[in-house]
Amino acid sequence: SAVISQKPSRDICQRGTSLTIQCQVDSQVTMMFWYRQQPGQSLTLIATANQGSEATYESGFVIDKFPISRPNLTFSTLTVSNMSPEDSSIYLCSAGTAPGNGELFFGEGSRLTVL
Amino acid sequence: LAKTTQPISMDSYEGQEVNITCSHNNIATNDYITWYQQFPSQGPRFIIQGYKTKVTNEVASLFIPADRKSSTLSLPRVSLSDTAVYYCLVGDGGYQKVTFGTGTKLQVIP
Repeated sequence: SAVISQKPSRDICQRGTSLTIQCQVDSQVTMMFWYRQQPGQSLTLIATANQGSEATYESGFVIDKFPISRPNLTFSTLTVSNMSPEDSSIYLCSAGTAPGNGELFFGEGSRLTVL
Repeated sequence: LAKTTQPISMDSYEGQEVNITCSHNNIATNDYITWYQQFPSQGPRFIIQGYKTKVTNEVASLFIPADRKSSTLSLPRVSLSDTAVYYCLVGDGGYQKVTFGTGTKLQVIP
């Protein structure tokens, strides 16, 4: 199993600013992903964080808006850039420990409110 | 990726067995079926995964018919603490791009 810690757990930000969310896993993992979840809605995959290379973004998400880093097998960051109120959401980090159809572990999420 | 369809919400009384069915008509040969549970203000938590027939663990059972075009998550004797959103996922090999559907909001009533 894997325990995922996210920081910050919540934040209130001003329009136009950027915020970086950190995701730390307590063990080495193969895959790491970033999701967004609006209140009362399902999860939407933002991107796959690739170790040592550029992240793979889903349709509707771009690197300039959501730059992602993954310097090693246990750590990743997601930055929400030039925030607007529409970016207010919960951002979740997830990780998988084995290739194949295995279990995904999730952090508790980072709740961002943009004023 | 196979699309999933599940009821938006369900209500159940405490102590009853709850069955949540998920349709995935376009499931591929390599796909597994996975269910997650999410409580408010928490990330999703893995419940159970299967490929065919029946899988059972300490939390739930998963029934998958031979054609694999649907699956049913069975929760025995639910309690109030089982109130949550339950997501059915169909994943290709390597859980690349695991996509969540709408989920089923289960409300357990005392």
